[in-house]
Amino acid sequence: DADVTQTPRNRITKTGKRIMLECSQTKGHDRMYWYRQDPGLGLRLIYYSFDVKDINKGEISDGYSVSRQAQAKFSLSLESAIPNQTALYFCAISRGNQPQHFGDGTRLSIL
Amino acid sequence: SQQGEEDPQALSIQEGENATMNCSYKTSINNLQWYRQNSGRGLVHLILIRSNEREKHSGRLRVTLDTSKKSSSLLITASRAADTASYFCATDLGITPLVFGKGTRLSVIA
Repeated sequence: DADVTQTPRNRITKTGKRIMLECSQTKGHDRMYWYRQDPGLGLRLIYYSFDVKDINKGEISDGYSVSRQAQAKFSLSLESAIPNQTALYFCAISRGNQPQHFGDGTRLSIL
Repeated sequence: SQQGEEDPQALSIQEGENATMNCSYKTSINNLQWYRQNSGRGLVHLILIRSNEREKHSGRLRVTLDTSKKSSSLLITASRAADTASYFCATDLGITPLVFGKGTRLSVIA
């Protein structure tokens, strides 16, 4: 089993829809992260959580929200999707400040 | 925000040649990490170099860090077609999450 599992892997939806991307991990790491990747822009941090009761905004949190339901689960929501949120989304985990482990991403297209 | 910047943006070499990628950053760091991303996949951690280290090796990878110049380089020796990927540096400031650069796209031609 993968250490970090993202669902769905691909999603096509329409403007205005509410979208939830799920991330779960099997390593028991405390920290979880959501990133967005756009061509030529690298990875940009959306939200991160250092523990179940800890939620922090990243560089580009506007238009997104998250929920850390349990140690192993971290969900990203787009309340009302817009076309410029079309991107590749990655979840990552780490134990403290150790190197991060990434999921294989969710490719999201908003029409 | 403080960010590592990789150079070059893209690099194309023949199999067997060495590939060198550079990363510059702006403020003091705890460590600098290099990651690899195959097309359409998640990033994979390659190597971490701490601020008090100058050079580190892992297999065919050699990483250097010059804190006076705020720069790092990743050298891949004897490149193979399977090394084709994007490579990212990420800086650890200690109190905030890693900040990733925009990456270098490496193409190794067989």
